[in-house]
Amino acid sequence: NAGVMQNPRHLVRRRGQEARLRCSPMKGHSHVYWYRQLPEEGLKFMVYLQKENIIDESGMPKERFSAEFPKEGPSILRIQQVVRGDSAAYFCASSPGTSGKGNEQFFGPGTRLTVL
Amino acid sequence: QQPVQSPQAVILREGEDAVINCSSSKALYSVHWYRQKHGEAPVFLMILLKGGEQKGHEKISASFNEKKQQSSLYLTASQLSYSGTYFCGTRLADSSYKLIFGSGTRLLVRP
Repeated sequence: NAGVMQNPRHLVRRRGQEARLRCSPMKGHSHVYWYRQLPEEGLKFMVYLQKENIIDESGMPKERFSAEFPKEGPSILRIQQVVRGDSAAYFCASSPGTSGKGNEQFFGPGTRLTVL
Repeated sequence: QQPVQSPQAVILREGEDAVINCSSSKALYSVHWYRQKHGEAPVFLMILLKGGEQKGHEKISASFNEKKQQSSLYLTASQLSYSGTYFCGTRLADSSYKLIFGSGTRLLVRP
């Protein structure tokens, strides 16, 4: 049973370009969460999605950032017009549900974004 | 809202024990513990759901005091592989689903 998949693992962008990060949840998981981690810091929640719905985007910057989880295909975190401050590791996690043990969130390997 | 973890860092000799604490000012639904090695993804250790619950995973166990909004992670007879940064993630009891992570505890186990 494959774990959470993320790609690319490393992404380099110049200021002003767009970054697209993809996440495929574990099999049987329909809940996806995106977190950002700056170097030597903890994980910060960005957005929580279910299939075709954004449930909680309270941690996502209002501008330049967007997320989706279409009916078919992976979840995508999109950053437009990247700036150097966007450089970070972006982790995706998935869970089978939201109650009890179903709330266990398993993390993917992350995408390390570097903005030049 | 961010839980407070203590200590910030700890150094052990192989075979020694350690306790890592996580404290929240808000009522909690669950506490999740993870270990992260440098440059890698956080690895899920365990989830604690009920007040006073204790769980074990090999030589790693944890407790959750729901009344105090506190959780502790116990590492016994530490192994070199236990080295890394330990994070607690808290899910609040206000029906939100996100995890709010502490700033982490760096653990180094030496031979």
